[in-house]
Amino acid sequence: DVKVTQSSRYLVKRTGEKVFLECVQDMDHENMFWYRQDPGLGLRLIYFSYDVKMKEKGDIPEGYSVSREKKERFSLILESASTNQTSMYLCASSKRGQGRTGELFFGEGSRLTVL
Amino acid sequence: GESVGLHLPTLSVQEGDNSIINCAYSNSASDYFIWYKQESGKGPQFIIDIRSNMDKRQGQRVTVLLNKTVKHLSLQIAATQPGDSAVYFCAARRTSGSRLTFGEGTQLTVNP
Repeated sequence: DVKVTQSSRYLVKRTGEKVFLECVQDMDHENMFWYRQDPGLGLRLIYFSYDVKMKEKGDIPEGYSVSREKKERFSLILESASTNQTSMYLCASSKRGQGRTGELFFGEGSRLTVL
Repeated sequence: GESVGLHLPTLSVQEGDNSIINCAYSNSASDYFIWYKQESGKGPQFIIDIRSNMDKRQGQRVTVLLNKTVKHLSLQIAATQPGDSAVYFCAARRTSGSRLTFGEGTQLTVNP
């Protein structure tokens, strides 16, 4: 079974803390994505990566950065967490050739609360 | 740009009935559409997709219909079961290679 694993299901952090959300996929996918999911807003793309060390901004990149040092791992970084970053964060991956779309495989999400 | 919206945030049906979940998109240049299902506590899972050169596509108990004239697509679930209870998202791609835009989601509740 294909799998996208997010290391933390639930996190509670304080305003100003640096937060790392880790995502690993075992499908040898080239494309990886970070979304946030908020009620009434659906899924919004934060950042994506098509290859190791490559990254592109999504629709809401402000306040976030990413790292892709290895093909299977894509990290989302909140340099200084703020309360408006309280959300559910979803990592996804897909095969090259399906472009930036096609079938996305999602992790189970990381629910972050910033106090 | 592209916006994708669902007509109803919630839908409640009786077990065994057919369910229809609707979605509208804004850009007539959208060429690819996907439906995802998200069960409580899990990430979204792919259900079915359809390209703009098709009007209908069927899977196992699910059918997606695409009406490009009014920029509308729907997901039909036959003989809805309790395990179908979930949030359903539609997503659209504006042009080949561009990112997906997701709708807000419809919560489907199946009553026994």
